[in-house]
Amino acid sequence: QVHLQESGPGLVKPSETLSLTCTVSGGSISSYYWSWIRQPPGKGLEWIGYIHYSGNTNYNPSLKSRVTISVDTSKNQFSLKLSSVTAADTAVYYCARLDIVLLPSEKGWFDPWGQGTLVTVSS
Amino acid sequence: SYVLTQPPSVSVAPGQTASITCGGNNIGSKSVHWYQQKPGQAPVLVVYDDSDRPSGIPERFSGSNSGNTATLTISRVEAGDEADYYCQVWDSSSDHPLVFGGGTKLTVL
Repeated sequence: QVHLQESGPGLVKPSETLSLTCTVSGGSISSYYWSWIRQPPGKGLEWIGYIHYSGNTNYNPSLKSRVTISVDTSKNQFSLKLSSVTAADTAVYYCARLDIVLLPSEKGWFDPWGQGTLVTVSS
Repeated sequence: SYVLTQPPSVSVAPGQTASITCGGNNIGSKSVHWYQQKPGQAPVLVVYDDSDRPSGIPERFSGSNSGNTATLTISRVEAGDEADYYCQVWDSSSDHPLVFGGGTKLTVL
């Protein structure tokens, strides 16, 4: 049973960089895609981006200029960096495995998810 | 990017059937996935690829997808089914491939 756990600071100052790590246990990070999703308080889910264990990435266009997702296969971890944060970036941040099927048609879904971590942007 | 539209809320009495819709342009041509999120918890996948259930999800949860509407159906609703439900698709033609609906709050009366 694959388990994901987010870690990182719960408070980040405006204009600084938010950094989170997701540790994967119970299975290898290799051969899969991995993703970050966030949820502002009381609001819906927003996809941030995903990374393949090989290092290929894809980001939400609305966040692309500020997001970097990286992977460390030796530690079975992947990470999120979001720069120049504002109060609008306050959210629960989730990591999740992204199951992608390419044939006969492209499709992808998130399973499992980490428990999530609240990051507040405030001075 | 592709837009998914869900009703903000649905109410149902225990033991009845709840239907939660997810609208999108020609959504029947896409694969739709559904997540359940209880307060303070992470989302859980309950239906994937329109109508398949992950291991451990009760048969009471089912899905369908045709035309411009996908539907999550919960039969014999229980109090424990009260949660927010989100639909999600992969839009391969977009630079924003992973899209969520706005979510539906299911209230069990």
